[in-house]
Amino acid sequence: KAGVTQTPRYLIKTRGQQVTLSCSPISGHRSVSWYQQTPGQGLQFLFEYFSETQRNKGNFPGRFSGRQFSNSRSEMNVSTLELGDSALYLCASSWAADGTNTFGSGTRLTVV
Amino acid sequence: GNSVTQMEGPVTLSEEAFLTINCTYTATGYPSLFWYVQYPGEGLQLLLKATKADDKGSNKGFEATYRKETTSFHLEKGSVQVSDSAVYFCALLTYGQNFVFGPGTRLSVLP
Repeated sequence: KAGVTQTPRYLIKTRGQQVTLSCSPISGHRSVSWYQQTPGQGLQFLFEYFSETQRNKGNFPGRFSGRQFSNSRSEMNVSTLELGDSALYLCASSWAADGTNTFGSGTRLTVV
Repeated sequence: GNSVTQMEGPVTLSEEAFLTINCTYTATGYPSLFWYVQYPGEGLQLLLKATKADDKGSNKGFEATYRKETTSFHLEKGSVQVSDSAVYFCALLTYGQNFVFGPGTRLSVLP
């Protein structure tokens, strides 16, 4: 079966712009979570959605937001981009939101 | 808050050597514990998990035992292969709280 699909794979944006990343979970999975991976901070949890409701949010500024649609697809948005937002953004899905996540390959965002 | 500590490495081993990657945690409540692996250029893959004390997770020759008394979840493999070269992340999840990852341990296995 299809895995978790993230689009786009690579993105270059300018400081001050906004960006939207997309994630299509495995069919039947209701939980989608997002993570930021950087060499300095490692893997950090951004937020988790379950059946269109945000259940948990990590310690990130309000510029980072997300949503989940009725088909479980999810998007995350970062407004007013900063250089420090350059990272690999990973999306994961699971059926039961119990940590047994299947991850996508990620979107590598570069802010210049 | 919850946290995970693991040896950062890099760890370099010869093929067929024994592997141990230490992981200790601090958590409120009763966390589930995980090992995830990230191969070069890819996302993370769940390697194994344990949900309660004394549980042993195992997969692909890797094992880890949930030790509540020492708050540890060390990853072991008896004989590593070149294809095991990757970054390994220890992680925990407590109900109602955020997923927390350790810093990752890079493993290089030489032929």
